[in-house]
Amino acid sequence: KQEVTQIPAALSVPEGENLVLNCSFTDSAIYNLQWFRQDPGKGLTSLLLIQSSQREQTSGRLNASLDKSSGRSTLYIAASQPGDSATYLCAGLYNTDKLIFGTGTRLQVFP
Amino acid sequence: NAGVMQNPRHLVRRRGQEARLRCSPMKGHSHVYWYRQLPEEGLKFMVYLQKENIIDESGMPKERFSAEFPKEGPSILRIQQVVRGDSAAYFCASSPILLSGNQPQHFGDGTRLSIL
Repeated sequence: KQEVTQIPAALSVPEGENLVLNCSFTDSAIYNLQWFRQDPGKGLTSLLLIQSSQREQTSGRLNASLDKSSGRSTLYIAASQPGDSATYLCAGLYNTDKLIFGTGTRLQVFP
Repeated sequence: NAGVMQNPRHLVRRRGQEARLRCSPMKGHSHVYWYRQLPEEGLKFMVYLQKENIIDESGMPKERFSAEFPKEGPSILRIQQVVRGDSAAYFCASSPILLSGNQPQHFGDGTRLSIL
């Protein structure tokens, strides 16, 4: 069964900290692994997409890594800011049509 | 705005009524995906459609739920005889072609369905 798990479920940190969000998946036959941001009452904003042949992707203060053999991905956020407060979702793409989502990590960055 | 458009943003229905959720994909996109997000849960895949075809409905409840993507017009997710457990956020996503490793799905802002 294809399952995606995210740890921790919630995280509260002071502004400026570097932090790591974890994502694990049971089925390594993914086409890609995506990280999304979801603000309350809003849709999903795609942050980073790592293809199955890649090891990591970077965008600004965000860096995502992918290790298919261990079934893990991490999202690293450098120098966190209050504006980073949101729920972060990871999702694996299977069978070219189905994104399997984790339950998310709710991040709060306080000034 | 050329993004994925969903309407209505909020929908309130009483038990037993019908709910219709609409999704207009991004311009040039012919593949539509519906996901449901129950309170305090992650998004769950429901159905994948191309124009006039249902490709994968493995995540859709067998009863009361149906989806279509006609040749003209938006994709419709229809829920008949709604129950309280149908209260959720329903998200639509689209892509231009069959997804491969480097193709993201583009998401709309969702429809929040509340059942009284």
